[in-house]
Order: sequence, then C-alpha cells, then structure tokens
Amino acid sequence: NAGVTQTPKFQVLKTGQSMTLQCAQDMNHEYMSWYRQDPGMGLRLIHYSVGAGITDQGEVPNGYNVSRSTTEDFPLRLLSAAPSQTSVYFCASSASGRGPPYEQYFGPGTRLTVT
Amino acid sequence: SQKIEQNSEALNIQEGKTATLTCNYTNYSPAYLQWYRQDPGRGPVFLLLIRENEKEKRKERLKVTFDTTLKQSLFHITASQPADSATYLCALGYSNSGYALNFGKGTSLLVTP
Repeated sequence: NAGVTQTPKFQVLKTGQSMTLQCAQDMNHEYMSWYRQDPGMGLRLIHYSVGAGITDQGEVPNGYNVSRSTTEDFPLRLLSAAPSQTSVYFCASSASGRGPPYEQYFGPGTRLTVT
Repeated sequence: SQKIEQNSEALNIQEGKTATLTCNYTNYSPAYLQWYRQDPGRGPVFLLLIRENEKEKRKERLKVTFDTTLKQSLFHITASQPADSATYLCALGYSNSGYALNFGKGTSLLVTP
C-alpha cells in the first residue's frame, strides 16, 4: 500500500492564481481531511469528508473548496491564492468518520508559497 | 475559548532517561486523546490513543496517561534514544468519531547521546 499520497510536494503561486492540491489514499478509508500547518499555530482543520459525496467545513475553510467523488481521492482547491495561504498542507485519512475513533494516517505534505 | 497547551520550550534530555511531555487543555470535554510524532519535513505519525474512561495506555517504551479532572495528558518515553528526537503532537477528539481532531502546537524533543 502507498498509504496517503499528495502532489505536488512543492508549489509556488502568484496572488490570485488558483490550483488544486491532490490527495489520494489506497486503504479504502471512509474519512479524509485537509489540515494546514503554520509555524507556531499547530495543525488546523480546513475541510473533511466522512465518505464519498459528503464534505464539511473545519476550523479554517475560507478560500478553499473540496469535493469527494470517490473514496480514494479528496482534492483541495484554492480558488484565488493569497499570501495568507502560504503554509504546509497535509491530507489525512482514517478508517471511519463515525463510531469508535481511529488513528489518522497523514500524507507527506505539500509546501505552498504564495507570492 | 478552547485551548490545548503543550510544553512550548524544547525538551532536551540525555539518552537513557525518561522523557515526559505534557498536554493541558481548557474548555474541552474530549472523548479521547491521541499522540502523534512528527519529523522535520514529514507528516505526523500516529503513536497512541487513549479514551476518556482510560487512565493509562502503554505501547513498548511509550506510556500515556489521561486525567480528565486535571484536564491533562502526560506522554512518557522511557529509555529514550537519539532516534526519539522529533516533535510530539497531542490531539483531542470531541466525540466517538474519528474526525475533527484538534491539535496542540507540539513539543520538540531532543535526545542527546
């Protein structure tokens, strides 16, 4: 199993550009989520999904869109990049978003810089 | 407001000693708490999970305690090794569902030979 994969590893955008961060998992996990990690701020939840076709907002959703058309994929779209979105983005998955808690598996991260 | 606090200062200890990391929280009633390890440039890796009705969990050299009265979890690494050097994150979950984890900022641990 590849686990959770993310592409690209690094990206530089200009203010106002849009892009999609890709996330895929091959563990048949129901639950997937996106976090951003900034120095001194810890991991903050952007959006999450408890299954295909179901998404919801986390703590910091503004400026980001998600969709979940398959169990495997959970892309994160930046609609109009801003310097405040410069961060490291992590995708995570776990076996279920309901019932007993499960550990989350994280991807390697995408380091995004917006100039 | 809700807050999760971990030792803000880096923890430096000597190889072979026990490292103890603290996670305090306020204005939460978590159903469970998880600990993760994060190495530079990598995603967090799950270590241990403890539920609100459990006092202590162990896994090899790791031990975590959960005191809902003190609103505190302690994470211990016994017989620490230089390979244990990393940042350790605690995360709180509200309910018995796997999502919506709230993470602390992490504590950096350095184990020197």
